[in-house]
Amino acid sequence: AQTVTQSQPEMSVQEAETVTLSCTYDTSESDYYLFWYKQPPSRQMILVIRQEAYKQQNATENRFSVNFQKAAKSFSLKISDSQLGDAAMYFCAYRPPEGGNKLVFGAGTILRVKS
Amino acid sequence: GAVVSQHPSWVICKSGTSVKIECRSLDFQATTMFWYRQFPKQSLMLMATSNEGSKATYEQGVEKDKFLINHASLTLSTLTVTSAHPEDSSFYICSARGGTATLEAFFGQGTRLTVV
Repeated sequence: AQTVTQSQPEMSVQEAETVTLSCTYDTSESDYYLFWYKQPPSRQMILVIRQEAYKQQNATENRFSVNFQKAAKSFSLKISDSQLGDAAMYFCAYRPPEGGNKLVFGAGTILRVKS
Repeated sequence: GAVVSQHPSWVICKSGTSVKIECRSLDFQATTMFWYRQFPKQSLMLMATSNEGSKATYEQGVEKDKFLINHASLTLSTLTVTSAHPEDSSFYICSARGGTATLEAFFGQGTRLTVV
């Protein structure tokens, strides 16, 4: 079974600084999808960024970028120029190519942004 | 992105009663909907997957007679917590996807259920 591990329960970053959230996963598949979701205090799940495993290029969305290391099964999220609004719980998620396409979530990392 | 609306946002019910939670895709047809449960400061646990017009597939350990899921149309899925007990109190989240070719699933805003 696929598993997703986020080893950092909490992280803190100073406003305007950069922070990296870690995620590793385990799968025997070669083609799959990876996501980072943000859950602010409102509890609404928001998609931050996604990566297709067949793409070697790391995904980037404005201040958010990933470091996707397929061989190491690592998928970290880098947040640059951190803002107060980035404070939230961040979940890494894996989606297999088949099997109902359901998401497997990591345990989450609480990100605190200090002003 | 597409919009998924979940209703109600919060509900309080008495022990022994049933509660229905609705999940609607507002601007797309949701062929598949997922229901999750989330405890405070914990991850989302998938409860079941439902495809329009067919029976839901429940994850191991989830009581299908306790958590009734109906996906009768391409825009609506419902989760009914039957004979609710205080241990059913939790945050329930739905997500919807518009087809196997669609990468993303879009999430509702969640429902906080409190059973007293």
